[in-house]
Amino acid sequence: QKEVEQNSGPLSVPEGAIASLNCTYSDRVSQSFFWYRQYSGKSPELIMSIYSNGDKEDGRFTAQLNKASQYVSLLIRDSQPSDSATYLCAVKLIPGTASKLTFGTGTRLQVTL
Amino acid sequence: NAGVTQTPKFRILKIGQSMTLQCTQDMNHNYMYWYRQDPGMGLKLIYYSVGAGITDKGEVPNGYNVSRSTTEDFPLRLELAAPSQTSVYFCASNPSSRNEQFFGPGTRLTVL
Repeated sequence: QKEVEQNSGPLSVPEGAIASLNCTYSDRVSQSFFWYRQYSGKSPELIMSIYSNGDKEDGRFTAQLNKASQYVSLLIRDSQPSDSATYLCAVKLIPGTASKLTFGTGTRLQVTL
Repeated sequence: NAGVTQTPKFRILKIGQSMTLQCTQDMNHNYMYWYRQDPGMGLKLIYYSVGAGITDKGEVPNGYNVSRSTTEDFPLRLELAAPSQTSVYFCASNPSSRNEQFFGPGTRLTVL
């Protein structure tokens, strides 16, 4: 079992719709969870972090965390063509002295006109 | 602040050649990381550092070396380049007080 799993996609949603991206992780002691957006040929850009169970909203983005089920999701409301990118889920699997993150392989999102 | 900067942006190496990928951050972050990203794959941690003079191996350290003589700089050294090291390399950093990592623009390396 992979430590952090994501569906590779592509996930295709029409403009204005809600995009739902999901991520599962293997280690129950994980405490910190992140969503990065990566445009083709560019570096990952942090868009959300979440540490507690429940929802965290930032503009059009909502991160949802369920530690009991070991999944974290990202909702993008009112999807725009500029949201088309690969979304990487990252998890700090093991508490420790450094913020080592384990990344999923990413979900490619396509927002169609 | 320039954030995290990396040089060069692109490089082509011949098998067996050596090179150093440079990474500098001006945010006074203690923690720094080197990742590689292969097509369709996630980021794999090569080495990381929690402060000047302290480095440790990540998931895929073979074929690489690092040093951290200052807070700002974290160079990655490839001693004997191999085709398997063809990848995009990202440097990242974060302050010790937070886990959110910030990435540099990357170096695209091809070994032929």
